[in-house]
Parts: sequence; structure tokens; C-alpha cells
Amino acid sequence: DAKTTQPNSMESNEEEPVHLPCNHSTISGTDYIHWYRQLPSQGPEYVIHGLTSNVNNRMASLAIAEDRKSSTLILHRATLRDAAVYYCILSTIVCMEYGNKLVFGAGTILRVKS
Amino acid sequence: DGGITQSPKYLFRKEGQNVTLSCEQNLNHDAMYWYRQDPGQGLRLIYYSQIVNDFQKGDIAEGYSVSREKKESFPLTVTSAQKNPTAFYLCASSRTPNTEAFFGQGTRLTVV
Repeated sequence: DAKTTQPNSMESNEEEPVHLPCNHSTISGTDYIHWYRQLPSQGPEYVIHGLTSNVNNRMASLAIAEDRKSSTLILHRATLRDAAVYYCILSTIVCMEYGNKLVFGAGTILRVKS
Repeated sequence: DGGITQSPKYLFRKEGQNVTLSCEQNLNHDAMYWYRQDPGQGLRLIYYSQIVNDFQKGDIAEGYSVSREKKESFPLTVTSAQKNPTAFYLCASSRTPNTEAFFGQGTRLTVV
């Protein structure tokens, strides 16, 4: 399975942008890049995903490097509610018959200071 | 409301007993997944199913079993063969591969 590498933790000030990096140097051409976040004792929440082009939604933006070996999740204005563990995941196609699976790493703990 | 429901939220089991965790979704999703999370760790895939009556082992399937008799349901049985079952268990579903996955709120299993 292709792996992702993220910093263990990051800190941000409230109302400032946050850039969460992710390296995935062994990504294959059919792997999608997904981001999820998790609050303590809750299930993960979907944030965004993409394949090659940069993506925007109401929660965040995803910037994907041209060689696809890295990506960055951008939170445009961090709030205290954005404090969570953020997971960068590659959606790996097992095969056409069995579909894909999400393989989680340890994630990045984001702390937001008021 | 559409969503994915796990029950119970907390579960206690005596050593040597099998226990079944429930996962139900009314999102009409084909794909369903079970993950295990240990304190301070990421999620590890136990089993996944892309279609009714079919499922595949994930990375840590030993000591677990699943069934997928209905599209809406994907129960996980933690058997006595699982040596260290105390953990937080999460179920998820997605419409198709590479679309948004929805997670339940989890079941915290404790062996006493």
C-alpha cells in the first residue's frame, strides 16, 4: 500500500490560514488523495479529496503537486472548531473487482490558539 | 435522516466471549468498512465489503469475522481468538470507490 507522511503536530492562531502538508512519494496513478479529520472519541469526518487538480469546497482547499508526490490541505481561516487530528489518505484501488480501501496513517494533530 | 449508525456506543466483554458490533446505514451505499483505533493511533482496516455477499480482509483481520447479507448492514464479530480486543471500532460506508466515506460514531469495546 502506498504510504503517506505527515508532521506529528502543528499549531495555528485563530483566524489565520493553516497549511497541512502530506508527502506520498509512492503514490500510483490511480490513487486519490483524501483528507479526513477526527475529534476525540468521534468518527472521522470527510474534508476533501482529489486526483490531480487542485480542489476547493466549503471546508478547505486541496493543493496537489504537479508530480503528485505531495499535497497540502489549506484551511483558509482556522477556528477553534478546526482543532482535530487531520489524516491524509491515499484511496488505493485494490482491483476493479474489490474496489478501493482507505489506509490511514497517524495523522497531524492541529492545535488552534485563540 | 440519512446516516450510518453503530451500536452500542460502549460495550464490555468478558475474556473468552464473542461479541458482535452493529453497523447500519441508510445511505444506499455499496461499500462498507470496519476499522480499529487504539489510543493515540490512526485507524487500521479490519474488513471491507464492496457489495452484498462479498467482503475482503483488511490489514488486521485475524480474530474478527463479518457478514454482508444485506446492503444496509455490516456487523463485525470480535471472537475469542482476538488477543487484544480492547479498542475503539469504527464503521464507514461510501457510495462508490473514491467518493466521500461516512463514518459512524464508533463503539468502544473493553474486555474485563
